[in-house]
Amino acid sequence: DVKVTQSSRYLVKRTGEKVFLECVQDMDHENMFWYRQDPGLGLRLIYFSYDVKMKEKGDIPEGYSVSREKKERFSLILESASTNQTSMYLCALGGPSNQPQHFGDGTRLSIL
Amino acid sequence: QKEVEQNSGPLSVPEGAIASLNCTYSDRGSQSFFWYRQYSGKSPELIMFIYSNGDKEDGRFTAQLNKASQYVSLLIRDSQPSDSATYLCAVKKNTGFQKLVFGTGTRLLVSP
Repeated sequence: DVKVTQSSRYLVKRTGEKVFLECVQDMDHENMFWYRQDPGLGLRLIYFSYDVKMKEKGDIPEGYSVSREKKERFSLILESASTNQTSMYLCALGGPSNQPQHFGDGTRLSIL
Repeated sequence: QKEVEQNSGPLSVPEGAIASLNCTYSDRGSQSFFWYRQYSGKSPELIMFIYSNGDKEDGRFTAQLNKASQYVSLLIRDSQPSDSATYLCAVKKNTGFQKLVFGTGTRLLVSP
């Protein structure tokens, strides 16, 4: 079974804080993704990575950065958290070619 | 026009009936199509994927793809109350990497 582990299920932070969301996989896959999900807007891609130290912007990268120093770990960073970044954050793992993506359990992040 | 469109629902069906969930997409070159189920407060879970025109069956679930009409559907036979969830359609476009575009989902309610 594909296992994608997100470090926290629930997280509460304050505006202006630097926030780190961690995602770890045990499948040795190259492709990893960060999404946010908001009511009525669906899943939106923030960033993805197709290899160590490689990253690509998704559809809504503003206010976020990522880090992939090791293949198994993909981190999402909120440089200076704002209330409009309150959301459910989902990490996904993608296999090669047309294989589906598999999601972690998600982190529900609240910025106060 | 959204890239992937789904009726938001809710779609209400009685227990034991067939639930039919529909999805249309705009990129004619799309290659792969995925259905995810998402329970409230949980992360998306892959149900099925389909690459070729026609039907693909897995237990009570059947995915149907018609590339000429740019239409993909999910049929759930013998619907159960435990099938009540939001169903997300996702499409892999004919571009690089493995980016998926998600619809906003159809909420299914199965009444006992």
